[in-house]
Amino acid sequence: RKEVEQDPGPFNVPEGATVAFNCTYSNSASQSFFWYRQDCRKEPKLLMSVYSSGNEDGRFTAQLNRASQYISLLIRDSKLSDSATYLCVVNLSSGNTPLVFGKGTRLSVIA
Amino acid sequence: ETGVTQSPTHLIKTRGQQVTLRCSSQSGHNTVSWYQQALGQGPQFIFQYYREEENGRGNFPPRFSGLQFPNYSSELNVNALELDDSALYLCASTQTGIGYTFGSGTRLTVV
Repeated sequence: RKEVEQDPGPFNVPEGATVAFNCTYSNSASQSFFWYRQDCRKEPKLLMSVYSSGNEDGRFTAQLNRASQYISLLIRDSKLSDSATYLCVVNLSSGNTPLVFGKGTRLSVIA
Repeated sequence: ETGVTQSPTHLIKTRGQQVTLRCSSQSGHNTVSWYQQALGQGPQFIFQYYREEENGRGNFPPRFSGLQFPNYSSELNVNALELDDSALYLCASTQTGIGYTFGSGTRLTVV
């Protein structure tokens, strides 16, 4: 089983749609959770951290379920500029331990 | 405050050759990690350096080696290049308790 597994994608959605990304992780000792966004041929950039209480940043909502070892990202009112690959990332601690990435799910928002 | 810079941006090498990739960490960051991202995959952890010592290594053979210098900049060396080494190599820096910042990467092509 892979350490971090994501929906295989790609997702092709019209502008204004709501899209959900799902992710599971295998190491129950994982402490920190993130969603990164990666544009084509660019470096990953932190989109948002994920907390057990859930967190929201504008159109983006992230949820964590530690019991199920499941992480989600919801994008509402999709924009063309949301087109990118979304990477689910976990870390064993909040310190300087390496990040473990999922394979990523590609999103294309279509006009 | 400068971010993480990597050089070169692109590189073409022949199978069997050696390559050195360079990374300057973000100011104040004492930990540098290297990741390999093959096409269509998420970044895979290669190794990490903290204050000039390797303090973590992923599932990569010994021909992948590195250094960190007193100014916290870092090098990744790959010997005996193979075609499968073709990838985007990402450097990320962090300071304990603070998130990772990625460089824009070096795209290595082995022919």
